[in-house]
Amino acid sequence: AQSVTQLGSHVSVSEGALVLLRCNYSSSVPPYLFWYVQYPNQGLQLLLKYTSAATLVKGINGFEAEFKKSETSFHLTKPSAHMSDAAEYFCAVTPLSGGYQKVTFGTGTKLQVIP
Amino acid sequence: DTEVTQTPKHLVMGMTNKKSLKCEQHMGHRAMYWYKQKAKKPPELMFVYSYEKLSINESVPSRFSPECPNSSLLNLHLHALQPEDSALYLCASSHPGQGFHEQFFGPGTRLTVL
Repeated sequence: AQSVTQLGSHVSVSEGALVLLRCNYSSSVPPYLFWYVQYPNQGLQLLLKYTSAATLVKGINGFEAEFKKSETSFHLTKPSAHMSDAAEYFCAVTPLSGGYQKVTFGTGTKLQVIP
Repeated sequence: DTEVTQTPKHLVMGMTNKKSLKCEQHMGHRAMYWYKQKAKKPPELMFVYSYEKLSINESVPSRFSPECPNSSLLNLHLHALQPEDSALYLCASSHPGQGFHEQFFGPGTRLTVL
C-alpha cells in the first residue's frame, strides 16, 4: 500500500529564508505525487504535482519540488519565504493506475513565517 | 468555470435536524468526492462517485447519505448527527482525461453539531 510521511508537523522560518518541507513516499512503483496548501478555514489548493515527466516540478507561488526516486522523496522548497506562505501543507500520493483515485495524504506540516 | 463550489459555508445543526450539503462543479469532471477534515488532521475520504455511481463508501455511518443527481452536482444529506461529526466537509472532483489523479477541492462547509 502506498503512503507518505511528512517529517515535522511544524516548521518555522524567518521571512525571506528558505522553506523546506519534507515528504517521503512508500510505494513499490513511483506514484503520482502532489503538494497541497490549505489556508485557515479554506479548502485545499494544489501547489504542484509530479506525474513522471520532469523530476523538478515548478508550482504556483514560487514553490517547487524535486522527485528523487533513490531517496523516495518529494520535498517542497521555496527560496524566500513570504508572510502569506503561512499555512498547512499536505503531501499526497495516488497510484499510477487509472480510474477514480483514492488519495493518500500525509499528516500535514504547518508552516509559520516569522517577520 | 474552473472551481468547485460548496454551500453553505457554515452550518450549525442540532442532533435531531436534517440538513444537506451541496457541491457543484462545471469542469466536466466525472469523479466527485466527499472528505471530512477534523482540526489539525488531513482530509479523510468518505465517499467517491464515479460517473454518477457510488464507487467507494469508506464505512461511513448511515447518518451520512450521499447523492449524485447528475455529473455536476453532489449532495451530502445529514440526519441525526453527533457532536463528534463537527468538522470541515470538503468536496472535490477530478477529470478522467487526467486519469482522475488531480483533485480539485472546494472551500468546504464548516459543520457544527450541537
